[in-house]
Amino acid sequence: DAKTTQPNSMESNEEEPVHLPCNHSTISGTDYIHWYRQLPSQGPEYVIHGLTSNVNNRMASLAIAEDRKSSTLILHRATLRDAAVYYCILRGVSGYGQNFVFGPGTRLSVLP
Amino acid sequence: EAGVTQSPTHLIKTRGQQATLRCSPISGHTSVYWYQQALGLGLQFLLWYDEGEERNRGNFPPRFSGRQFPNYSSELNVNALELEDSALYLCASSLLASGGPSTDTQYFGPGTRLTVL
Repeated sequence: DAKTTQPNSMESNEEEPVHLPCNHSTISGTDYIHWYRQLPSQGPEYVIHGLTSNVNNRMASLAIAEDRKSSTLILHRATLRDAAVYYCILRGVSGYGQNFVFGPGTRLSVLP
Repeated sequence: EAGVTQSPTHLIKTRGQQATLRCSPISGHTSVYWYQQALGLGLQFLLWYDEGEERNRGNFPPRFSGRQFPNYSSELNVNALELEDSALYLCASSLLASGGPSTDTQYFGPGTRLTVL
Protein backbone atom coordinates (compact mmCIF):
# COMPACT_ATOMS: atom_id res chain seq x y z
CA ASP A 1 0.00 0.00 0.00
CA ALA A 2 2.47 2.62 -1.18
CA LYS A 3 1.45 6.13 -0.23
CA THR A 4 3.44 7.67 -3.03
CA THR A 5 3.17 7.63 -6.82
CA GLN A 6 6.09 7.93 -9.18
CA PRO A 7 6.57 7.53 -12.94
CA ASN A 8 7.58 4.00 -13.85
CA SER A 9 10.62 5.07 -15.81
CA MET A 10 12.61 8.08 -16.91
CA GLU A 11 15.55 8.68 -19.17
CA SER A 12 18.32 11.22 -19.00
CA ASN A 13 21.49 12.07 -20.83
CA GLU A 14 24.78 11.91 -19.02
CA GLU A 15 25.88 15.15 -17.34
CA GLU A 16 22.41 16.66 -17.58
CA PRO A 17 20.20 17.43 -14.58
CA VAL A 18 17.45 14.97 -13.70
CA HIS A 19 14.22 15.80 -11.90
CA LEU A 20 12.45 12.78 -10.43
CA PRO A 21 8.89 13.61 -9.28
CA CYS A 22 6.89 12.03 -6.49
CA ASN A 23 3.28 12.63 -5.51
CA HIS A 24 2.14 12.04 -1.94
CA SER A 25 -1.22 13.75 -1.68
CA THR A 26 -2.19 11.95 1.57
CA ILE A 27 0.95 12.96 3.46
CA SER A 28 0.41 13.83 7.10
CA GLY A 29 2.04 16.72 8.90
CA THR A 30 4.58 14.51 10.64
CA ASP A 31 5.57 12.29 7.70
CA TYR A 32 9.13 12.61 6.50
CA ILE A 33 9.89 12.20 2.80
CA HIS A 34 12.76 9.77 2.14
CA TRP A 35 14.47 8.87 -1.12
CA TYR A 36 16.45 5.71 -1.64
CA ARG A 37 17.88 4.19 -4.78
CA GLN A 38 18.71 0.64 -5.74
CA LEU A 39 21.50 0.01 -8.18
CA PRO A 40 21.41 -3.25 -10.14
CA SER A 41 22.15 -6.30 -7.98
CA GLN A 42 22.56 -4.25 -4.82
CA GLY A 43 20.53 -3.35 -1.76
CA PRO A 44 18.94 0.10 -1.63
CA GLU A 45 21.03 3.05 -0.52
CA TYR A 46 19.97 6.25 1.18
CA VAL A 47 19.87 9.38 -0.94
CA ILE A 48 18.18 12.15 1.02
CA HIS A 49 15.25 12.98 3.29
CA GLY A 50 13.32 16.04 4.39
CA LEU A 51 10.20 17.33 6.13
CA THR A 52 9.26 20.76 4.85
CA SER A 53 12.27 22.71 3.67
CA ASN A 54 14.34 21.94 0.61
CA VAL A 55 17.40 19.84 1.42
CA ASN A 56 20.78 19.45 -0.22
CA ASN A 57 23.54 16.93 0.25
CA ARG A 58 26.49 15.72 -1.77
CA MET A 59 24.34 13.29 -3.74
CA ALA A 60 21.23 15.27 -4.58
CA SER A 61 18.72 17.97 -3.71
CA LEU A 62 15.18 17.49 -2.50
CA ALA A 63 12.60 20.10 -3.41
CA ILE A 64 9.39 19.87 -1.39
CA ALA A 65 6.22 21.61 -2.52
CA GLU A 66 4.76 24.18 -0.18
CA ASP A 67 1.66 22.03 0.44
CA ARG A 68 3.94 18.96 0.82
CA LYS A 69 1.78 16.94 -1.55
CA SER A 70 4.63 16.44 -3.94
CA SER A 71 8.39 16.49 -4.01
CA THR A 72 11.19 16.29 -6.56
CA LEU A 73 14.55 14.62 -6.29
CA ILE A 74 17.14 16.52 -8.28
CA LEU A 75 20.36 14.98 -9.53
CA HIS A 76 22.37 17.93 -10.70
CA ARG A 77 24.56 16.10 -13.22
CA ALA A 78 23.57 12.55 -14.02
CA THR A 79 26.32 10.00 -14.43
CA LEU A 80 26.10 6.43 -15.70
CA ARG A 81 26.43 5.30 -12.09
CA ASP A 82 23.14 7.04 -11.27
CA ALA A 83 21.18 4.50 -13.34
CA ALA A 84 19.01 2.84 -10.71
CA VAL A 85 15.49 2.47 -9.36
CA TYR A 86 14.63 5.48 -7.22
CA TYR A 87 12.12 5.09 -4.40
CA CYS A 88 10.19 7.91 -2.77
CA ILE A 89 8.92 6.84 0.66
CA LEU A 90 6.97 8.44 3.46
CA ARG A 91 7.75 7.57 7.04
CA GLY A 92 5.58 8.53 9.97
CA VAL A 93 6.13 8.69 13.68
CA SER A 94 3.89 5.96 15.00
CA GLY A 95 2.23 2.68 14.28
CA TYR A 96 2.44 1.16 10.87
CA GLY A 97 3.33 4.55 9.48
CA GLN A 98 6.79 4.08 10.93
CA ASN A 99 7.50 1.38 8.37
CA PHE A 100 9.09 2.00 5.05
CA VAL A 101 6.54 1.21 2.35
CA PHE A 102 8.41 0.89 -0.92
CA GLY A 103 6.40 1.39 -4.09
CA PRO A 104 7.62 0.26 -7.51
CA GLY A 105 9.82 3.36 -7.83
CA THR A 106 11.15 5.08 -10.95
CA ARG A 107 13.68 3.28 -13.09
CA LEU A 108 16.17 5.89 -14.28
CA SER A 109 18.21 5.18 -17.40
CA VAL A 110 21.21 7.38 -18.13
CA LEU A 111 22.35 7.58 -21.73
CA PRO A 112 26.01 8.27 -22.56
CA GLU B 1 33.75 0.86 8.88
CA ALA B 2 32.12 -2.44 7.97
CA GLY B 3 28.66 -2.26 6.46
CA VAL B 4 25.67 -4.50 7.05
CA THR B 5 26.54 -8.11 6.38
CA GLN B 6 24.18 -10.97 5.60
CA SER B 7 24.67 -14.69 5.40
CA PRO B 8 24.41 -16.85 3.51
CA THR B 9 24.60 -15.16 0.14
CA HIS B 10 22.51 -17.85 -1.47
CA LEU B 11 20.27 -20.48 0.09
CA ILE B 12 18.46 -23.29 -1.67
CA LYS B 13 15.70 -25.18 0.13
CA THR B 14 12.83 -27.42 -0.78
CA ARG B 15 9.17 -26.77 -0.10
CA GLY B 16 8.21 -27.44 3.52
CA GLN B 17 11.71 -26.93 4.93
CA GLN B 18 12.82 -24.13 7.21
CA ALA B 19 15.27 -21.37 6.29
CA THR B 20 17.37 -19.25 8.64
CA LEU B 21 18.89 -16.01 7.41
CA ARG B 22 21.34 -13.92 9.43
CA CYS B 23 22.19 -10.23 9.57
CA SER B 24 24.92 -8.28 11.32
CA PRO B 25 24.21 -4.56 11.60
CA ILE B 26 26.69 -1.74 11.39
CA SER B 27 28.55 -1.38 14.67
CA GLY B 28 26.58 0.82 17.04
CA HIS B 29 23.27 0.41 15.23
CA THR B 30 20.47 -0.93 17.39
CA SER B 31 17.67 -1.32 14.84
CA VAL B 32 17.42 -4.09 12.26
CA TYR B 33 14.83 -4.29 9.49
CA TRP B 34 13.99 -7.18 7.20
CA TYR B 35 12.50 -6.85 3.71
CA GLN B 36 11.47 -9.28 1.02
CA GLN B 37 12.04 -8.47 -2.66
CA ALA B 38 10.50 -11.00 -4.98
CA LEU B 39 11.67 -11.01 -8.58
CA GLY B 40 10.35 -8.00 -10.44
CA LEU B 41 8.57 -6.64 -7.39
CA GLY B 42 9.32 -3.87 -4.94
CA LEU B 43 10.55 -4.28 -1.41
CA GLN B 44 8.01 -5.54 1.09
CA PHE B 45 8.56 -4.71 4.76
CA LEU B 46 8.76 -7.82 6.95
CA LEU B 47 9.98 -7.04 10.46
CA TRP B 48 11.61 -4.33 12.53
CA TYR B 49 13.65 -5.03 15.68
CA ASP B 50 15.10 -2.47 18.02
CA GLU B 51 16.97 -3.06 21.25
CA GLY B 52 16.04 -6.72 21.15
CA GLU B 53 12.31 -6.21 20.76
CA GLU B 54 10.00 -6.55 17.79
CA ARG B 55 8.75 -3.04 17.03
CA ASN B 56 6.62 -3.65 14.01
CA ARG B 57 5.62 -6.33 11.57
CA GLY B 58 4.55 -6.30 7.95
CA ASN B 59 1.66 -8.14 6.36
CA PHE B 60 3.26 -11.60 6.34
CA PRO B 61 2.04 -14.89 7.83
CA PRO B 62 3.33 -16.07 11.25
CA ARG B 63 5.67 -18.59 9.66
CA PHE B 64 7.93 -15.58 9.05
CA SER B 65 9.56 -14.81 12.37
CA GLY B 66 12.79 -13.54 13.73
CA ARG B 67 14.70 -12.29 16.69
CA GLN B 68 17.40 -9.85 17.63
CA PHE B 69 20.29 -10.89 19.82
CA PRO B 70 21.98 -8.87 22.61
CA ASN B 71 24.75 -7.90 20.17
CA TYR B 72 22.00 -6.50 17.88
CA SER B 73 22.54 -9.08 15.15
CA SER B 74 19.36 -10.63 13.88
CA GLU B 75 17.95 -13.81 12.47
CA LEU B 76 14.99 -14.28 10.13
CA ASN B 77 13.31 -17.67 10.15
CA VAL B 78 10.90 -18.85 7.52
CA ASN B 79 9.07 -22.05 8.36
CA ALA B 80 7.15 -24.37 6.06
CA LEU B 81 8.70 -22.85 2.97
CA GLU B 82 6.50 -22.27 -0.06
CA LEU B 83 7.56 -21.73 -3.65
CA GLU B 84 6.49 -18.09 -3.51
CA ASP B 85 8.95 -17.45 -0.68
CA SER B 86 11.70 -17.45 -3.29
CA ALA B 87 13.08 -13.93 -3.18
CA LEU B 88 15.93 -11.67 -2.19
CA TYR B 89 15.79 -10.99 1.54
CA LEU B 90 17.34 -7.71 2.54
CA CYS B 91 18.40 -6.60 5.97
CA ALA B 92 18.95 -2.98 6.94
CA SER B 93 20.23 -1.38 10.11
CA SER B 94 19.92 2.05 11.61
CA LEU B 95 20.64 4.04 14.70
CA LEU B 96 17.40 5.66 15.72
CA ALA B 97 17.87 9.40 15.48
CA SER B 98 16.84 11.74 18.26
CA GLY B 99 13.96 12.74 16.04
CA GLY B 100 12.58 9.23 16.14
CA PRO B 101 12.11 6.53 13.50
CA SER B 102 10.66 8.91 10.95
CA THR B 103 14.07 10.52 10.46
CA ASP B 104 16.52 7.65 10.68
CA THR B 105 18.61 6.43 7.78
CA GLN B 106 18.62 2.75 6.92
CA TYR B 107 21.75 1.05 5.61
CA PHE B 108 21.10 -2.06 3.58
CA GLY B 109 23.09 -5.24 3.26
CA PRO B 110 23.62 -7.11 -0.02
CA GLY B 111 20.83 -9.59 0.70
CA THR B 112 20.34 -13.34 0.81
CA ARG B 113 18.88 -14.97 -2.27
CA LEU B 114 16.50 -17.71 -1.14
CA THR B 115 15.37 -20.24 -3.71
CA VAL B 116 12.62 -22.71 -2.83
CA LEU B 117 12.35 -25.74 -5.08
